[in-house]
Amino acid sequence: EAGVAQSPRYKIIEKRQSVAFWCNPISGHATLYWYQQILGQGPKLLIQFQNNGVVDDSQLPKDRFSAERLKGVDSTLKIQPAKLEDSAVYLCASSLLRGRRGNTIYFGEGSWLTVV
Amino acid sequence: ELKVEQNPLFLSMQEGKNYTIYCNYSTTSDRLYWYRQDPGKSLESLFVLLSNGAVKQEGRLMASLDTKARLSTLHITAAVHDLSATYFCAVVQVTPLVFGKGTRLSVIA
Repeated sequence: EAGVAQSPRYKIIEKRQSVAFWCNPISGHATLYWYQQILGQGPKLLIQFQNNGVVDDSQLPKDRFSAERLKGVDSTLKIQPAKLEDSAVYLCASSLLRGRRGNTIYFGEGSWLTVV
Repeated sequence: ELKVEQNPLFLSMQEGKNYTIYCNYSTTSDRLYWYRQDPGKSLESLFVLLSNGAVKQEGRLMASLDTKARLSTLHITAAVHDLSATYFCAVVQVTPLVFGKGTRLSVIA
C-alpha cells in the first residue's frame, strides 16, 4: 500500500520568497493534516481537512500560510512571504475518518524547508 | 488548552537494561498515540491506546494508559541499539494529535 507522498523533499529559499508543498494522501483517506515540526520539537498542527473542507485551521498563520484541498484528495500548502522562523519540516498526514477512534494517522516523509 | 509533557527528554540507555518514558497530559482525552521518529525520517506509528488500562506490546516496547491519572508509559525491555530514535506521545482532544516534545533515546553498548 502506497504511503503519504510529499514533494519537494527539500527546499531552500530566501526570506520573503514563496514556496509550495504538495501532498497526496493514502488512497481513500478522507482526513488530511498538515503539521509543522521545528527542529527539536514535536509536530504542531497547522490545518486539518475532511474531504475538501477545512475542519481546523486555528493555528495556521493566515497572513502568510494558505492551504487547499480542492478535489478532496491532493493538498497544497503555500507560504508567502516566508520568514526565517518558517524553517521547519512540513509533514502531511492522513487518516480514514476524522474522529474515528482507533484510526491510525499516517505521516509522509516531510518537506524540509530552510529559509535563509 | 491541552498540554502534553514527556520525560525524560533525553535518555541514554545501556544495552540490555530496562527503561520507562512517561507522558502526562493536561485534560481529558480518549486516545493516545506513540510514534517513533528516526533522524531525517517521518513518524512511524507504534501504538494507539483507546481506553483506561489499555496495554499494548510490540517486541521490546510496551505502552500503557491510565486515563484517570492522565498518564501513559512506554516501557523498553532489554534495550538494543535498533531502538535508538526519538519517541513522541500525542493526545487527541478537539485538536487532533497534540504532541509532546519527544524523548530522544540513545542506546550505548
